[in-house]
Amino acid sequence: AQKVTQAQTEISVVEKEDVTLDCVYETRDTTYYLFWYKQPPSGELVFLIRRNSFDEQNEISGRYSWNFQKSTSSFNFTITASQVVDSAVYFCALSEVGTYKYIFGTGTRLKVLA
Amino acid sequence: DTGVSQNPRHKITKRGQNVTFRCDPISEHNRLYWYRQTLGQGPEFLTYFQNEAQLEKSRLLSDRFSAERPKGSFSTLEIQRTEQGDSAMYLCASSPTGAVDTDTQYFGPGTRLTVL
Repeated sequence: AQKVTQAQTEISVVEKEDVTLDCVYETRDTTYYLFWYKQPPSGELVFLIRRNSFDEQNEISGRYSWNFQKSTSSFNFTITASQVVDSAVYFCALSEVGTYKYIFGTGTRLKVLA
Repeated sequence: DTGVSQNPRHKITKRGQNVTFRCDPISEHNRLYWYRQTLGQGPEFLTYFQNEAQLEKSRLLSDRFSAERPKGSFSTLEIQRTEQGDSAMYLCASSPTGAVDTDTQYFGPGTRLTVL
């Protein structure tokens, strides 16, 4: 069965600190997508990144970076030099190719303090 | 290109009443999805459409729930005889097909339902 685990319920950091959000997934399929979404207090889920199972290259986008390791079934997300505007709930999600529905983790609430 | 829109944004109703929510996807997105999110949890899949065809429904979608996408554009989600356990945020998303970002879902702001 598919499952996504985000063990960190809430993380608090001081502005400019780096922070890593963990995501561990389970799937029996060899072809799948992994995603990260941000949910600010307004409630709308904002797409951040999609990674397919054949692409294990890490990715960097500005202050954001993602580390995908198939060997440990993890897809971790790092924010460098965090800012107050990064405060939100972050969700990791899994989708097996061809099924289209997402399986979400329970989210990690990030609080960045000024 | 405008994003996914949902109406209403908030709905308060009394137990036993029927409610209907509307979702307008990003134009030209063939796939449309409904999810439900309760406090402190991630969104849970309810159903999805490809054009006007409803292709998958979750076990979460009881007989009191019905979704339609009559012309392959907007969609409605109706809940009949609401119960307090239906209180949640109802999220709609859409995704393109045959594009670079196919299978990437873009979400609307959600409709928050409170059943008293």
